[in-house]
Amino acid sequence: EAGVAQSPRYKIIEKRQSVAFWCNPISGHATLYWYQQILGQGPKLLIQFQNNGVVDDSQLPKDRFSAERLKGVDSTLKIQPAKLEDSAVYLCASSLDPQDEQYFGPGTRLTVT
Amino acid sequence: QKEVEQDPGPLSVPEGAIVSLNCTYSNSAFQYFMWYRQYSRKGPELLMYTYSSGNKEDGRFTAQVDKSSKYISLFIRDSQPSDSATYLCAMSGGSNYKLTFGKGTLLTVNP
Repeated sequence: EAGVAQSPRYKIIEKRQSVAFWCNPISGHATLYWYQQILGQGPKLLIQFQNNGVVDDSQLPKDRFSAERLKGVDSTLKIQPAKLEDSAVYLCASSLDPQDEQYFGPGTRLTVT
Repeated sequence: QKEVEQDPGPLSVPEGAIVSLNCTYSNSAFQYFMWYRQYSRKGPELLMYTYSSGNKEDGRFTAQVDKSSKYISLFIRDSQPSDSATYLCAMSGGSNYKLTFGKGTLLTVNP
């Protein structure tokens, strides 16, 4: 069974630029998560989708971050404009349902200069 | 006070040692307790899962939860170099099963 796919794996941008990350969850997983993991910290949930609806986006900086999950499968996370403090690994995870095990992708490492 | 506290280490042990990792938490609503292992440049993977208080054993790994003390532990017996990774505790409670992670402890097992 294929795991959670993410792209790109690495991205370097200048502050105030925009960037987008893509996630393809495990087939059949209804729940999709985006996490931000700053160096030396644990992952922090940014947004949780159930199919194509948002369940929790309480920690998403909505003035600059946006996410969508069209057709309840793939998802994109966008940052516009980026700040230096956005430098982190962005992890996508998926699960069959919210109470099931979450499977994580390899992450996208973002560096904002 | 953070919801979940975890000593970031780093922790360095010789091969074969018993490793003890732990987390404390403040939110009484947490009912589900997990340990994730994260290798460098990889995403976290679930290692152990425990519901409420008690012990759970899986091979060389034992997870303990003491809800009265708000304290959870992971023990690794006969540690191997392949166990070298960051270990993250995570907890959830409530209807949406949202995970709250600790900072992670970096473990190195030396051959």
